[in-house]
Amino acid sequence: EVQLVESGGGLVQPGGSLRLSCAASGFTFSDYSMNWVRQAPGKGLEWVSYISSGSSTIYYADSVKGRFTISRDNAKNSLYLQMNSLRAEDTAVYFCARDSGRVGYNYNYWGQGTLVTVSS
Amino acid sequence: DIQMTQSPSTLSASVGDRVTFTCRASQSIRSWLAWYQQKPGKAPKLLIYEASNLESGVPSRFSGSGSGTEFTLTISSLQPDDSATYYCQQYDSSSPTFGQGTKVEIK
Repeated sequence: EVQLVESGGGLVQPGGSLRLSCAASGFTFSDYSMNWVRQAPGKGLEWVSYISSGSSTIYYADSVKGRFTISRDNAKNSLYLQMNSLRAEDTAVYFCARDSGRVGYNYNYWGQGTLVTVSS
Repeated sequence: DIQMTQSPSTLSASVGDRVTFTCRASQSIRSWLAWYQQKPGKAPKLLIYEASNLESGVPSRFSGSGSGTEFTLTISSLQPDDSATYYCQQYDSSSPTFGQGTKVEIK
């Protein structure tokens, strides 16, 4: 069974940093591209970042470019999101999501999410 | 970025009704569109990919259609378990974007 389990969320002050992790199991992690998608409280979904299976290709949403860094460790079956210079508008539930493996970027497995709150 | 606009924002219908809602893209996305269902407090669930392909395990009452800039998701016979918010997502570019969602309520 495919499982994605996020961790690392919490309360952080504006300007602070946080590192999210996503532990994957139930599939060959190194075969799949991965993503972070977030959802502000009561709002819709926003794609944040993408990393290819071998980390050679990385994309970011304009809203986080220069502040967030996506990475992965295929030996540890883990995905990460380093978030720096956090702002109030970064407050959201952050989901890790696996690409389906088909052409294009659609996500057929998601974690349960971890809440990041940026507030003083 | 490609903007995705969903309508209506909220839809109220009865069990057994056929319901259809729309997603429009600000430019052509060919058929690179997915639909997700999200229930409160849960992660989204992929329903449809490439505009009209049903994800494995998804009930056949769900169907998608469209190409270019206009797409629809249809539930042929609404069930109580279908109460949720539905999001479309374009993936024609390397910066995927979601619509704002359509909330489906059961009368």
